Amino acid sequence: ELKVEQNPLFLSMQEGKNYTIYCNYSTTSDRLYWYRQDPGKSLESLFVLLSNGAVKQEGRLMASLDTKARLSTLHITAAVHDLSATYFCAVDSYTSGTYKYIFGTGTRLKVLA
Amino acid sequence: SAVISQKPSRDICQRGTSLTIQCQVDSQVTMMFWYRQQPGQSLTLIATANQGSEATYESGFVIDKFPISRPNLTFSTLTVSNMSPEDSSIYLCSVESKGRISYEQYFGPGTRLTVT
Repeated sequence: ELKVEQNPLFLSMQEGKNYTIYCNYSTTSDRLYWYRQDPGKSLESLFVLLSNGAVKQEGRLMASLDTKARLSTLHITAAVHDLSATYFCAVDSYTSGTYKYIFGTGTRLKVLA
Repeated sequence: SAVISQKPSRDICQRGTSLTIQCQVDSQVTMMFWYRQQPGQSLTLIATANQGSEATYESGFVIDKFPISRPNLTFSTLTVSNMSPEDSSIYLCSVESKGRISYEQYFGPGTRLTVT
């Protein structure tokens, strides 16, 4: 069974600090995704990582993928309050003739002013 | 990309009744997904709905409880049948569509269901 785990589950950090969220998955996957979800809202796509060594950056967020280690990271640089949200990673999987996406447990980030 | 709408956005229902949630996409897509997200939790895939074939349900979800229709490439419905308070959740529709560089998922705004 494909599992996707994130850590930490909860993260409270001061503005201006750096931190990394980790996403581990249990089987091979071609693509890895990062999403943001604000309270009461739907999911917003942040990054799509397509290959080993892929690195994507948008503003204060940078995502990377190591397919050999089955690990992706989401690095936050100089956090600001607006980054407070829940972040999910997800991988896609094709097994038993079914194609689907599996989501991680989520990391609830709170940036304190 | 894809723009997705869902109806209703929220509803309060009595136990034992059924609710049908509609998902409309602004472009033709092959793959549509239905998820459930309970408060403070991650997304759990209910089923994958491809046009022209029966929906594929994940472990723990059955067609009698969550019947799905997919009549064309832009529309799907999920019915939550014989509801109980445990069905209170947010139900999300998503599609796979071409993004800037790759296929990716796009999500509808969700339907917040409360069963009393």
